[in-house]
Amino acid sequence: GAGVSQSPSNKVTEKGKDVELRCDPISGHTALYWYRQSLGQGLEFLIYFQGNSAPDKSGLPSDRFSAERTGGSVSTLTIQRTQQEDSAVYLCASSSQGALSGNTIYFGEGSWLTVV
Amino acid sequence: AQSVTQLGSHVSVSEGALVLLRCNYSSSVPPYLFWYVQYPNQGLQLLLKYTSAATLVKGINGFEAEFKKSETSFHLTKPSAHMSDAAEYFCAVSFSGGYQKVTFGIGTKLQVIP
Repeated sequence: GAGVSQSPSNKVTEKGKDVELRCDPISGHTALYWYRQSLGQGLEFLIYFQGNSAPDKSGLPSDRFSAERTGGSVSTLTIQRTQQEDSAVYLCASSSQGALSGNTIYFGEGSWLTVV
Repeated sequence: AQSVTQLGSHVSVSEGALVLLRCNYSSSVPPYLFWYVQYPNQGLQLLLKYTSAATLVKGINGFEAEFKKSETSFHLTKPSAHMSDAAEYFCAVSFSGGYQKVTFGIGTKLQVIP
């Protein structure tokens, strides 16, 4: 597609439920990133994929968070047993050559998650 | 470890006045620096980036930033603010070596007063 596409754009879920957030990167982009944006916290790095591999998962907040990427394209971020503190905007981004620094990363519009 | 510090989570300027958003970085190796803008209810888009080619970088919408190694700064400026510049601005850093992990600051919300 023309840009990074994320779904759902908005999700309200009950505490304790599992949620899946989807990211469709720009076609041909090998690098994919997930960030979390909370009020007053800026952008928090969660995980990075190069192809289908995730060389850096250091930002995942807990073992309730997991992510996968298949076919070098679509990625899914899963949050199990959601808690209220998981409420945030989850941003996906991609870039054409993640291993080369200085390349621009392109963001989707985010998935707004509210846990009630 | 790399990091960025944005001074001022909120900045207000009058329409037509100078915009100055501050960013200082910490990096043990030469950095790559970025400014992104986020308009209300939209994703982040790149304003400009520094990749060592020139210390003064010009971006979209009349913004520019100057890389000053001695001050470890990459402040964003615009000579004359427009109402449409009201948004949140994020400074970010990455560095050569390994993969391109981009670390963002907490953001600065710019308010433009008519």
